[in-house]
Amino acid sequence: GAGVSQSPSNKVTEKGKDVELRCDPISGHTALYWYRQSLGQGLEFLIYFQGNSAPDKSGLPSDRFSAERTGGSVSTLTIQRTQQEDSAVYLCASSNLGGQFGNTIYFGEGSWLTVV
Amino acid sequence: AQSVAQPEDQVNVAEGNPLTVKCTYSVSGNPYLFWYVQYPNRGLQFLLKYITGDNLVKGSYGFEAEFNKSQTSFHLKKPSALVSDSALYFCAVRDIRQAGTALIFGKGTTLSVSS
Repeated sequence: GAGVSQSPSNKVTEKGKDVELRCDPISGHTALYWYRQSLGQGLEFLIYFQGNSAPDKSGLPSDRFSAERTGGSVSTLTIQRTQQEDSAVYLCASSNLGGQFGNTIYFGEGSWLTVV
Repeated sequence: AQSVAQPEDQVNVAEGNPLTVKCTYSVSGNPYLFWYVQYPNRGLQFLLKYITGDNLVKGSYGFEAEFNKSQTSFHLKKPSALVSDSALYFCAVRDIRQAGTALIFGKGTTLSVSS
């Protein structure tokens, strides 16, 4: 597609349920990023993929969070046993040739997660 | 350490007046600096970036930013503000320490343009 596509755009879930958030990056972009935006916390980097590989998972907030990327394209961020503090906007972004400092990172519209 | 600071939580300006949204940075090595804008209930949109070269960088929607190495600043500017410029603005620096060189963002500055 023309831009980074995320789904669902909005999700309300009950505490304790699992949720999956999907990201479809810009076609041809090898680098994919997940960020979380919450009130009072700003934009928090979660994880980076180069192709299907995530070299560093230390940004994930807890072991309830996991992410994968298949076929060098679509990525899924999974949150298990959701808690109210997981309520946030989850932003996905992509870039051509991750690791190249000057390349622009393009963001999707975000998945707005509310845990009740 | 790589970081950016946006010292103002909010900037208020009247339509037609010039606007400045401030950003200072702290980096190891050369800085790679970006500005993004976020409209209500939307994702982040890229405005402009500084990689190397001219200190004055021009971007989308009439915005520009001035890179100042001695003051370690990268302020966002526009000669004549529009009401439609009202949004949340983020300054960011590329984290060259980590494999993905993800962006490190400032806290954001809310710009309010009054008619």
